Amino acid sequence: EVQLVESGGDLVQPGGSLRLSCVASGFSFSSYYMSWVRQAPGKGLEWVANINQEGNAIYHADSVKGRFSISRDNAKNTLYLQMSSLRADDMAVYHCATWDGGWIYWGQGTLVTVSS
Amino acid sequence: DIQLTQSPSTLSASVGDRVTITCRASQSISRWLAWYQQKPGKAPKVLIYEASYLKSGVPSRFSGSGSGTEFTLTISSLQPDDFATYYCQQSNSYSWTFGQGTRVEIK
Repeated sequence: EVQLVESGGDLVQPGGSLRLSCVASGFSFSSYYMSWVRQAPGKGLEWVANINQEGNAIYHADSVKGRFSISRDNAKNTLYLQMSSLRADDMAVYHCATWDGGWIYWGQGTLVTVSS
Repeated sequence: DIQLTQSPSTLSASVGDRVTITCRASQSISRWLAWYQQKPGKAPKVLIYEASYLKSGVPSRFSGSGSGTEFTLTISSLQPDDFATYYCQQSNSYSWTFGQGTRVEIK
């Protein structure tokens, strides 16, 4: 069974940092392009970042560029999102997702709350 | 960034209706467009990729068309399970974007 399990979401003050993790199982993680996608409460979907299979092609949305960094460890079947300088508008459920001509596998998400 | 605009934002329909949702891109994205269905509290599910290819396991009542800047998602005969929010998403550029979503509700 395919599983993507995110963790690391928490309540953090504005300006703070968090690292999200996503552990994959049930498929060949190292063979897939991976992404982070977020959804603020009651709002639409927003793409955050992409990383290729080898981890050497990385793209971030303009809204997070310079503050967030996507990475992966294929030996651990794990995707990461390092988040810093967090702002109120970063508050959302963060999903990791597997790309194969569309995001075919999704995790259940981890909630990041930014508030003082 | 490429902007995607969906219309309508909300659509009221009955079971059995033919439903069409439009997605317009601010510049040409060739056929690099996917459609997703999302139900409350659930992760999205991909329905269509590369504008018109049906993902395996998706019912054939869903279809997609278009290229360039204008795309449509059609549900040929709306079923009770189809009441949800639908998003288009482009992967043409290095910066990917979603449309704002179309909520399909029961009339």
